[in-house]
Amino acid sequence: RKEVEQDPGPFNVPEGATVAFNCTYSNSASQSFFWYRQDCRKEPKLLMSVYSSGNEDGRFTAQLNRASQYISLLIRDSKLSDSATYLCVVYGEYGNKLVFGAGTILRVKS
Amino acid sequence: EPEVTQTPSHQVTQMGQEVILRCVPISNHLYFYWYRQILGQKVEFLVSFYNNEISEKSEIFDDQFSVERPDGSNFTLKIRSTKLEDSAMYFCASSEWTEGGYTFGSGTRLTVV
Repeated sequence: RKEVEQDPGPFNVPEGATVAFNCTYSNSASQSFFWYRQDCRKEPKLLMSVYSSGNEDGRFTAQLNRASQYISLLIRDSKLSDSATYLCVVYGEYGNKLVFGAGTILRVKS
Repeated sequence: EPEVTQTPSHQVTQMGQEVILRCVPISNHLYFYWYRQILGQKVEFLVSFYNNEISEKSEIFDDQFSVERPDGSNFTLKIRSTKLEDSAMYFCASSEWTEGGYTFGSGTRLTVV
């Protein structure tokens, strides 16, 4: 089973760039969707939930396409502090728990 | 902001020894979890716990593993006889409801030698 798949990257971008990450999930019955951020050797931290209507939090925009089973995260005006691994996370993919993708590495350079 | 607390932050143990990893979830949360992350790999589910019993467990969570909520605040993960391949970061998490986002603790780095 494919579960939650992400492009591992790394994405190397200059400060101020716009960058987009994609994620696919395999179970159409999955119920909730999230983007988490993980800094090196630290715990995952919730960045934002993802809704079908799309949602925005400052420079971050998340989208969900249930028909294509596809989730995206857009980061505008990248900052050095955005450098991290971004984890696509799905609830209900297999059972009543969060299932994590392997993550996409973002490196923002000055 | 409420947080999940884990102790110890780092534990080194000899192969075959028992270890207990401790967690204090957020006080009004009802659902508790253990995940692990082997270096360079994805975050993997181990077990979920609700109403004083295991709700779900993964294939990783075999007879060597157990969880307990010994009192109203602590949530522990015990590995009875550690193996080299148990070396990983172990994260505890809690949530108010099952389908919501979880809050993770800062983790315990377990090194089995």
